[in-house]
Amino acid sequence: GNSVTQMEGPVTLSEEAFLTINCTYTATGYPSLFWYVQYPGEGLQLLLKATKADDKGSNKGFEATYRKETTSFHLEKGSVQVSDSAVYFCALKRGQAGTALIFGKGTTLSVSS
Amino acid sequence: NAGVTQTPKFQVLKTGQSMTLQCAQDMNHEYMSWYRQDPGMGLRLIHYSVGAGITDQGEVPNGYNVSRSTTEDFPLRLLSAAPSQTSVYFCASRPTGGASYEQYFGPGTRLTVT
Repeated sequence: GNSVTQMEGPVTLSEEAFLTINCTYTATGYPSLFWYVQYPGEGLQLLLKATKADDKGSNKGFEATYRKETTSFHLEKGSVQVSDSAVYFCALKRGQAGTALIFGKGTTLSVSS
Repeated sequence: NAGVTQTPKFQVLKTGQSMTLQCAQDMNHEYMSWYRQDPGMGLRLIHYSVGAGITDQGEVPNGYNVSRSTTEDFPLRLLSAAPSQTSVYFCASRPTGGASYEQYFGPGTRLTVT
């Protein structure tokens, strides 16, 4: 079945540093890939997505490219802010019907000023 | 639209007590699901539903029951709470059709079992 492997944290950065959070997947075919973000004390919000191979998803300065050659969907941001401190989850659809999602274990990002 | 709503936001139970976590959505989504979030484990699927009257188990269903009598509501029942069920519970929904399979999440219920 489909699965996701996400780099473990925590990741601690200074403001304006470059961020990469690695995510690799195992799947049949080329399912949509997602990054969700969870700010402290809140639920999950969709950060970005890519629906097919070679697509680039982007939002709020974050980017991720769906690379089928390396089965990866790494999250990047060129200059992080304190407000980006959160837990980030990589995810893909569960099963053929995609009735639910399979999540990575999450990466905690802490940005200091 | 209110989106996906969950109640209560916080709950403390004693071992052996029962309770129902409520989840509702007003987007007319057919697919709904329940996840639990534990430190270092990510989100794990408990149960899901593809429409009214149809439910199925996810990866960690033991100790939980669900039913889906309407499109809008998908309650999660703990029949006899155990400390291992201390967790944050998220409900999610998504429409049928479309290519993205994006899920919409509720704000969560933080449950503590003592």
